[in-house]
Amino acid sequence: DGGITQSPKYLFRKEGQNVTLSCEQNLNHDAMYWYRQDPGQGLRLIYYSQIVNDFQKGDIAEGYSVSREKKESFPLTVTSAQKNPTAFYLCASSRTSGRGELFFGEGSRLTVL
Amino acid sequence: EDQVTQSPEALRLQEGESSSLNCSYTVSGLRGLFWYRQDPGKGPEFLFTLYSAGEEKEKERLKATLTKKESFLHITAPKPEDSATYLCAVQGAAGANNLFFGTGTRLTVIP
Repeated sequence: DGGITQSPKYLFRKEGQNVTLSCEQNLNHDAMYWYRQDPGQGLRLIYYSQIVNDFQKGDIAEGYSVSREKKESFPLTVTSAQKNPTAFYLCASSRTSGRGELFFGEGSRLTVL
Repeated sequence: EDQVTQSPEALRLQEGESSSLNCSYTVSGLRGLFWYRQDPGKGPEFLFTLYSAGEEKEKERLKATLTKKESFLHITAPKPEDSATYLCAVQGAAGANNLFFGTGTRLTVIP
């Protein structure tokens, strides 16, 4: 079955460390997205990519970086510059860019100790 | 600025007790309004897209409707498996690649 796979599901990090969250899709979708979800807030867009080797900042890109070297993969690095990284991170994809019908992964929960 | 407000924050229903969830929105140039279902600890699952006022979509016990200012998600004779958080999101003309999400309504259906 096609879908989006995020790993790891749970991750603990010490302050000052960079961590990379994996996102792989086998839906043959062009566009991929990273959202952050915090209690009491709506999902917020971190980065998105419309096509391989291209990505754009979302509303809260500071302290994060991404790459899109392959169509299937869109990893997110949470750097030490991110002041409040503890959150639930969601990767999503859509058939093409500009579509609101997103397919989400199961999420990765990052906790900074 | 795009804005989405969902109400109520939480709703408890007896099995079979129908009700509606509300999503009020402000957006410049609505391209689409979307409903998602999210189970605890999981990613959201797409339910419906509505594009213009007057449009309705149905799926099993769920029906979504849209006016120029709000959308309703009607749940008819809910079952315990309908328990989840329901998210509403809008896509405006200025941000085609950025959905603006509400904070959700947490629905609990009691057997």
